Amino acid sequence: QKEVEQDPGPLSVPEGAIVSLNCTYSNSAFQYFMWYRQYSRKGPELLMYTYSSGNKEDGRFTAQVDKSSKYISLFIRDSQPSDSATYLCAMTLYGQNFVFGPGTRLSVLP
Amino acid sequence: EAGVAQSPRYKIIEKRQSVAFWCNPISGHATLYWYQQILGQGPKLLIQFQNNGVVDDSQLPKDRFSAERLKGVDSTLKIQPAKLEDSAVYLCASSRQRSSYNEQFFGPGTRLTVL
Repeated sequence: QKEVEQDPGPLSVPEGAIVSLNCTYSNSAFQYFMWYRQYSRKGPELLMYTYSSGNKEDGRFTAQVDKSSKYISLFIRDSQPSDSATYLCAMTLYGQNFVFGPGTRLSVLP
Repeated sequence: EAGVAQSPRYKIIEKRQSVAFWCNPISGHATLYWYQQILGQGPKLLIQFQNNGVVDDSQLPKDRFSAERLKGVDSTLKIQPAKLEDSAVYLCASSRQRSSYNEQFFGPGTRLTVL
């Protein structure tokens, strides 16, 4: 079993759709959970992070963490063509042992 | 605020050759990371520095990879000798300090092709 798993996609949705991206992980010790966005030929950039279980909202983005299920999600509302990118989940144990998922490629069609 | 700088942006070498990558983090950032990102995969942490000390190098293939961070600022990552499977993008990132969580800022990466 891989430490972090993500559906690689590609996921194609029409503009304005709600997008759901998910990761599962195996190490219950992880405490901080992050979502990064990576455009082609660029480095990842942080979208959101959450600590332990719970929800966090930032504009069109909502992150959810369910530690009991070892499952994290990112929801994108009113998706835009500019959201087309690869979305990487990541997690860490107190600032070290960073682990990234393989990423989900998202295409938002105008 | 200037971002993380990396050079070169692209490098093509033959197997068994040596190669070095350079990273200049954001000014004032104490923590520096090197990641390897193989096509279609997420970044894999190779080494994490706190100032000029190593925090985590558990996934660094030490028989061929080495990294240093002199004076706690710039860093170099070296591969010697390179193998075909080292073809990847090498990403450098930095963050203000190593605490429970700190946002990492990534550079554009160096794309390495080993022939």
